[in-house]
Amino acid sequence: SSELTQDPAVSVALGQTVRITCQGDSLRSYYASWYQQKPGQAPVLVIYGKNNRPSGIPDRFSGSSSGNTASLTITGAQAEDEADYYCNSRDSSGNHLYVFGTGTKVTVL
Amino acid sequence: EVQLVESGGGLVQPGGSLRLSCAASGFTFSSYDMHWVRQATGKGLEWVSAIGTAGDTYYPGSVKGRFTISRENAKNSLYLQMNSLRAGDTAVYYCAREEYSSLRGYYMDVWGKGTTVTVSS
Repeated sequence: SSELTQDPAVSVALGQTVRITCQGDSLRSYYASWYQQKPGQAPVLVIYGKNNRPSGIPDRFSGSSSGNTASLTITGAQAEDEADYYCNSRDSSGNHLYVFGTGTKVTVL
Repeated sequence: EVQLVESGGGLVQPGGSLRLSCAASGFTFSSYDMHWVRQATGKGLEWVSAIGTAGDTYYPGSVKGRFTISRENAKNSLYLQMNSLRAGDTAVYYCAREEYSSLRGYYMDVWGKGTTVTVSS
């Protein structure tokens, strides 16, 4: 099955911009979706498709993709953006499987 | 309000069985594919199973043959029957709703709060 690889941790100064990447072969065939998870809480969808945000997600969150890499960018990071972020996509094996990325811990300094 | 509420978690011995439930409300349950996703303490998210609107089911190799996902549309409910449980199955189990469009791809837009499964003697 496919794998999605993320950097384990990144840090960003308050108000600055941070990009989180997700790499995997399945991303050549399928869009990634991105989820924010704070301690003790369920994941929350923040980006899906080419660059779509669910209602209620601030516009400082944006997504992009190129080749086998998808990216989530937080422009003007806020303290409340400190969380774990996971990418997800369908597996490209054709077996109707799904895969999550390894996760990135974002620390806002 | 669109909502998913999991139940059925608990402590079970290795080799035992457990059935999780997920009650859906606020949307037409029968029209959506549904998933189970788990997370061990301090670890990442792991996809566990999916079921389509027609009842087609999918599993990763780690649970295939041991777990069975099912749905009962008349009761707006999703289930996960877990057999031959191992310590490695200890996790919080979430149910999630899938959305799909050809323009926006696949994504899980609604999640429950999760139910905890502990496999230990």
